[in-house]
This record gives sequence, C-alpha cells and structure tokens, in this order.
Amino acid sequence: EPEVTQTPSHQVTQMGQEVILRCVPISNHLYFYWYRQILGQKVEFLVSFYNNEISEKSEIFDDQFSVERPDGSNFTLKIRSTKLEDSAMYFCASRVEGLGEQFFGPGTRLTVL
Amino acid sequence: RKEVEQDPGPFNVPEGATVAFNCTYSNSASQSFFWYRQDCRKEPKLLMSVYSSGNEDGRFTAQLNRASQYISLLIRDSKLSDSATYLCVVNMGFSGNTPLVFGKGTRLSVIA
Repeated sequence: EPEVTQTPSHQVTQMGQEVILRCVPISNHLYFYWYRQILGQKVEFLVSFYNNEISEKSEIFDDQFSVERPDGSNFTLKIRSTKLEDSAMYFCASRVEGLGEQFFGPGTRLTVL
Repeated sequence: RKEVEQDPGPFNVPEGATVAFNCTYSNSASQSFFWYRQDCRKEPKLLMSVYSSGNEDGRFTAQLNRASQYISLLIRDSKLSDSATYLCVVNMGFSGNTPLVFGKGTRLSVIA
C-alpha cells in the first residue's frame, strides 16, 4: 500500500540554524500539506500546496517558513532560523483530490536546543 | 475562529466495554468529517469518515448531526488494541486546499 514517507525521523538543531524537513507524498496525489504538533497539544495546520504553489497558510507559517516541491516527488519544509518554540513533530500529508481523506507521513521530530 | 471541541478524557474502560466520544465543530459550512486515531508519538491515521446518514465499520459507529454541529464515535466491545487518542477532524472548507482542523483528542485506555 502506498504511503507518505518523511526524513529524517528526528532532527536536533541549534537555535538560529536552518533545517529542511523532507517528505515524499503518495505518487498520484495532488494536494500536499504540512502540519505540526507540539508535545501534548493538538495537530495544527501550517500550509497547503497545490499546482506548485501555496494555496493556504496559517498564521504560524510566517516568513521563517517556506515550502518547495523541487522535483516530481519531494516536498520540503524549510525553517530558516529555528526558535526553541519550533520544537514539535512535523507531519506531511497528501490527498488525491477533493475533500477526501488526507494520508499522513510518520513525522519528523524537530528538537531545537 | 474555526474550532473543533472534544470530550477532554481520558476514558479508562475495561475490555469489552462500549465507549462513546463526542465532538462539536464551530463552522456550519464544514463539508467533511473524520475520526482519526493517533498512537503515542505516531502520525494520525484515518479511522473512518463520517457521513450524514451515519456509518458503521465493524465495532465502530460514527454519527453526524449537521443541525447541532455534532459528531460522535461509538466503540463496542473494546479491545486492548483500541487504546489510543481519538481525534475528531473537520474540513471546514469547500476545496481540497482547505486544511483539516483537529480537535485536541480524547485518550482511551482499555484495561484488561
């Protein structure tokens, strides 16, 4: 069964450093998303991406964040200058089309020291 | 503000028990509804979609009341493996671009 994959599974970084989180969505999916979950809190939407551009973003997704689909398979989230409060699980998700279910990757745990 | 509210939990139940979770959502224009399951430090996994007519999948039954903006999940004959956090999730928009809005989740512990 096809699945969303994410790398790395755990990333530790120093405050102020740049990180890139990588995702490979399911191959025939058209909509891509990043969510985050701070430990003990709910899953929060960051950004959605369709047709090679951002379609929606939350207030969390400020100028420090960017997304890219550099080739036909990868979907990346970059945090330019990490803060302590960026420590969270980051989940990538994808959807075929319409209003159907989103499939989530296993997540990347980001720890900012 | 678009919100999804759930029972705070935790629910601690014996094996074989029936347990029900409730959820309300704020946006009456919401289009699609889901229950996801999340195990500790894992990704959310779809348990079932929720339809206006109600739907059942084995021991799990989901109901939607659009007038009350209320969603429920019933689990019958609980198993130890049902222990997890159950997330009520709503798509509050009209397109595939619209993000999912998650509730905080209700933790279920099924005890032998």
